[in-house]
Amino acid sequence: RKEVEQDPGPFNVPEGATVAFNCTYSNSASQSFFWYRQDCRKEPKLLMSVYSSGNEDGRFTAQLNRASQYISLLIRDSKLSDSATYLCVVPKGTGFQKLVFGTGTRLLVSP
Amino acid sequence: DGGITQSPKYLFRKEGQNVTLSCEQNLNHDAMYWYRQDPGQGLRLIYYSQIVNDFQKGDIAEGYSVSREKKESFPLTVTSAQKNPTAFYLCATASGGAGDTQYFGPGTRLTVL
Repeated sequence: RKEVEQDPGPFNVPEGATVAFNCTYSNSASQSFFWYRQDCRKEPKLLMSVYSSGNEDGRFTAQLNRASQYISLLIRDSKLSDSATYLCVVPKGTGFQKLVFGTGTRLLVSP
Repeated sequence: DGGITQSPKYLFRKEGQNVTLSCEQNLNHDAMYWYRQDPGQGLRLIYYSQIVNDFQKGDIAEGYSVSREKKESFPLTVTSAQKNPTAFYLCATASGGAGDTQYFGPGTRLTVL
């Protein structure tokens, strides 16, 4: 299994739709996880951190399944501005914070 | 105005030339990182530094060098030994604790002509 694996997409959804992405990881010792959002030709920006079973922030919900080693990101009521690439990020090992970045899942929200 | 600055935004280099990318932060973060991003690939770690005057190689350090003489600054030199230097270079910082979030600068897009 790759260290971090994501479906590259693109996921094409209409405004208002609910969409979910999954990310699988190989390091069973990982304790914290992150979702970053990256717009075209811009830097990644933190969307959510996940330290336990999950996290919710407005329309965004992240879930962690340790047994199956995957993290999901759910976006409800999609907006045009949600169009971006979503990066799943997993720590490498323990201790000092080295991160492994997935290649990202591209989301396109249309009117 | 707080944050992470990288300069220049765009950089063009002729083959065989060394070039230095700047990364400055005023967040008082201990840890700093350099990544490169290529189309269709995830970010790959070049070098990182946990503290002033100390730095470690990442996964793809060959052809690159760094220094960390000040807490605020972590410049990256792309040398002529780097075979495929054209990429998007991103600098990140973190306060240094385990599990800490990394924050990114706006990046430098390097093109070798």
